[in-house]
Amino acid sequence: RKEVEQDPGPFNVPEGATVAFNCTYSNSASQSFFWYRQDCRKEPKLLMSVYSSGNEDGRFTAQLNRASQYISLLIRDSKLSDSATYLCAVNMWNFGNEKLTFGTGTRLTIIP
Amino acid sequence: DVKVTQSSRYLVKRTGEKVFLECVQDMDHENMFWYRQDPGLGLRLIYFSYDVKMKEKGDIPEGYSVSREKKERFSLILESASTNQTSMYLCASSQREGGYEQYFGPGTRLTVT
Repeated sequence: RKEVEQDPGPFNVPEGATVAFNCTYSNSASQSFFWYRQDCRKEPKLLMSVYSSGNEDGRFTAQLNRASQYISLLIRDSKLSDSATYLCAVNMWNFGNEKLTFGTGTRLTIIP
Repeated sequence: DVKVTQSSRYLVKRTGEKVFLECVQDMDHENMFWYRQDPGLGLRLIYFSYDVKMKEKGDIPEGYSVSREKKERFSLILESASTNQTSMYLCASSQREGGYEQYFGPGTRLTVT
């Protein structure tokens, strides 16, 4: 099982719709979770951190489900500009070193 | 805002050449990272550094080395470039070690011919 796993998509969603995708992680001790957005041929940019209680930033909502070991990202009223690849990141340990492990990303395309 | 810059956006090198990729951050972050990103494989950690002159191997260090002589600068070195090192290279920094959010530079797309 991969340490961090995402559905690669692509998700093709009409403008104005709501879309959600998940990211599962393997280590139950993980404490830090993030969503990044990556546009084509650009660097990943931090979209939001994911807190235990869930958090919202405008049209974006992030949730954490510890029991099932996944985080989710919900985008409401999707815009054309939301088209991007969304990466999740989770802290993991490897030989005593803590690091962020990234999923391979979910590609989202918003259709006019 | 955190700013992470990388020396080149695009680079073309020949097999066997020594390649230097440089990364500079301006936020006084302790921690810096080098990743490569390939389609279908995602971001893979090459090396990281938690302090000046300190380095740790990531998941795929073979064929690479790093240097951190100053806090703000972290260099990735390909000792003898090979075609399988053609990739997008991303530098990142974070305020604290381990599981804290990281901020990325714009990336260097390296092609080895």
